[in-house]
Amino acid sequence: DIVMTQSPDSLAVSLGERATINCKSSQSILYSSNNKNFLAWYQQKPGQPPKLLIYWASARESGVPDRFSGSGSGTDFTLTISSLQAEDVAVYYCHQYSASPPTFGQGTRLEIK
Amino acid sequence: QVQLVQSGAEVKQPGASVQVSCKASGYTFTNYYIHWVRQAPGQGLEWVGMINPSGGSTSYPEKFQGRVALTRDTSTGTVYLELTRLRSEDTAIYFCARVKWGSSAYDFWGQGTLVTVSS
Repeated sequence: DIVMTQSPDSLAVSLGERATINCKSSQSILYSSNNKNFLAWYQQKPGQPPKLLIYWASARESGVPDRFSGSGSGTDFTLTISSLQAEDVAVYYCHQYSASPPTFGQGTRLEIK
Repeated sequence: QVQLVQSGAEVKQPGASVQVSCKASGYTFTNYYIHWVRQAPGQGLEWVGMINPSGGSTSYPEKFQGRVALTRDTSTGTVYLELTRLRSEDTAIYFCARVKWGSSAYDFWGQGTLVTVSS
């Protein structure tokens, strides 16, 4: 199985500042035939299901604010929130769908400093 | 609008079986794969399996082989998860999720069903 490791486990950022969450896969999740990285990012708030933010590592889901962006390729990926808002407090997960079984990072808890 | 509506919470004894349903609406049911993901209390996300609602083909992780089964009813647009020989470690919220067209990310999720296994 592909192991997804996120860092840090938790993060406190001031309102309006940048938040950066990293995700590393144990093997490349870049699919050579279409040059796409099979990686997604989700946001989960308490008592709610996860919400898709980013897919193909950098494509923003419809309706997601443009302060959320994804980058990276191969084995190293980053989710960036350019200017933290109060409603962004949540746990964030990366998810690889390159190989079965699909696997998730352990989650990063984002709080306000 | 797309919706996935799951059945209500369940409490089961160890060794019993549980069935959770996921009713899809707002799109063509047979055009999108459905996956199941579970989340133990305070923990992360774990894949439980997937079904192709069109042909009914399924795939499960090795750790659940023989204990989990996904089925679908195309007449009602519903997917069913059955988990047998329950143990305390199966206590979790179970989510169904639709696979986004052209990707394999999950674009719509059910609200989740809490399954509690306790004697």
